[in-house]
Amino acid sequence: NAGVMQNPRHLVRRRGQEARLRCSPMKGHSHVYWYRQLPEEGLKFMVYLQKENIIDESGMPKERFSAEFPKEGPSILRIQQVVRGDSAAYFCASSHDSAEKLFFGSGTQLSVL
Amino acid sequence: DQQVKQNSPSLSVQEGRISILNCDYTNSMFDYFLWYKKYPAEGPTFLISISSIKDKNEDGRFTVFLNKSAKHLSLHIVPSQPGDSAVYFCAASASNTGKLIFGQGTTLQVKP
Repeated sequence: NAGVMQNPRHLVRRRGQEARLRCSPMKGHSHVYWYRQLPEEGLKFMVYLQKENIIDESGMPKERFSAEFPKEGPSILRIQQVVRGDSAAYFCASSHDSAEKLFFGSGTQLSVL
Repeated sequence: DQQVKQNSPSLSVQEGRISILNCDYTNSMFDYFLWYKKYPAEGPTFLISISSIKDKNEDGRFTVFLNKSAKHLSLHIVPSQPGDSAVYFCAASASNTGKLIFGQGTTLQVKP
């Protein structure tokens, strides 16, 4: 399967714990995007990365959230000290080039108890 | 600041008829527009796109129309099929930013 792979599909955390969401882009894609979908809302842009570089993080909360896309390995979205409001579906997408159509993974559903 | 808006949260259509989904945008720098389809518990899948140099793009039962002066685009599905029932997202990007901005989505229900 050469699609965008996200894991885990479901993640349950208690308030104050850390959440790590992983994304492996499609083969040959060096551009990775993270989006968040809150219940009954659309997809909100969070961050755009290109191998080892953060290109645009304008949609990411200033505190507790961070993202990386190392030279080797998957992209990681990290949420520290999770709160109930972080509960959402987090989607990763990749593209071969910027401003092209994005291919999405199946998402990680984060539930904060 | 909602740069891409889908003002109809839901649409119900009879099988075989035409479905028309609408989308408005405010940023005149957008030059590439896409429609995605999403089923529950799955990621969005690409449906069709259009560049700002065109006003129409067709792919099988799906046609996207772009009216740049009105900053409006629409997706036509004809004939509609029950399997088309899903949430449809409109998205736009500007070539100088490299990211897609999505609308809120429209839930389409096609009744048999």
